[in-house]
Amino acid sequence: DAGVIQSPRHEVTEMGQEVTLRCKPISGHDYLFWYRQTMMRGLELLIYFNNNVPIDDSGMPEDRFSAKMPNASFSTLKIQPSEPRDSAVYFCASSQPGTGKSHEQFFGPGTRLTVL
Amino acid sequence: GNSVTQMEGPVTLSEEAFLTINCTYTATGYPSLFWYVQYPGEGLQLLLKATKADDKGSNKGFEATYRKETTSFHLEKGSVQVSDSAVYFCALGGSARQLTFGSGTQLTVLP
Repeated sequence: DAGVIQSPRHEVTEMGQEVTLRCKPISGHDYLFWYRQTMMRGLELLIYFNNNVPIDDSGMPEDRFSAKMPNASFSTLKIQPSEPRDSAVYFCASSQPGTGKSHEQFFGPGTRLTVL
Repeated sequence: GNSVTQMEGPVTLSEEAFLTINCTYTATGYPSLFWYVQYPGEGLQLLLKATKADDKGSNKGFEATYRKETTSFHLEKGSVQVSDSAVYFCALGGSARQLTFGSGTQLTVLP
């Protein structure tokens, strides 16, 4: 299996521009998570989906952030307009169906976003 | 709510030294506990896990025991290598499917 795929791996943009990050979860996984990692705030959960439906978006910092999952094999995280404080590494993770304590998440390599 | 408290870093050790990274948690019910590792430039990957009290998770020479009485899940390794240099995250899985992560501990092993 190819694992969780994220694109692009690096993105440099200017303040005010729209940024779209993409994620392909592992086939057969029914949960998808978006995280943001910074030195100051560590690893933060932004939003997660189950069977393509958003379950909890309480971690999304503000209305400039939006996430979609149009099908089981694709998700996007969009920032519009972007600001320098959005600079971070964004991770996507997925987990497989299961009962009880099936919490293992498989992480992608991340997208390093720099907003100038 | 659930929370994880991890030993502050960074930790610097010489090769073959003994490693302990402390992790304690607060949770309702009986959570699962995890250690994830992040190598430079990569995403997090599962290192080991334990799903019930007194379970010991182990992998690549690392061990951690789920201690319900002390609400702890400390990570240990008897002899670290330079290749173990990474950031280590303790995490808790509760009734919902998301994980609660600690703040991470940077480990550097010197030759």
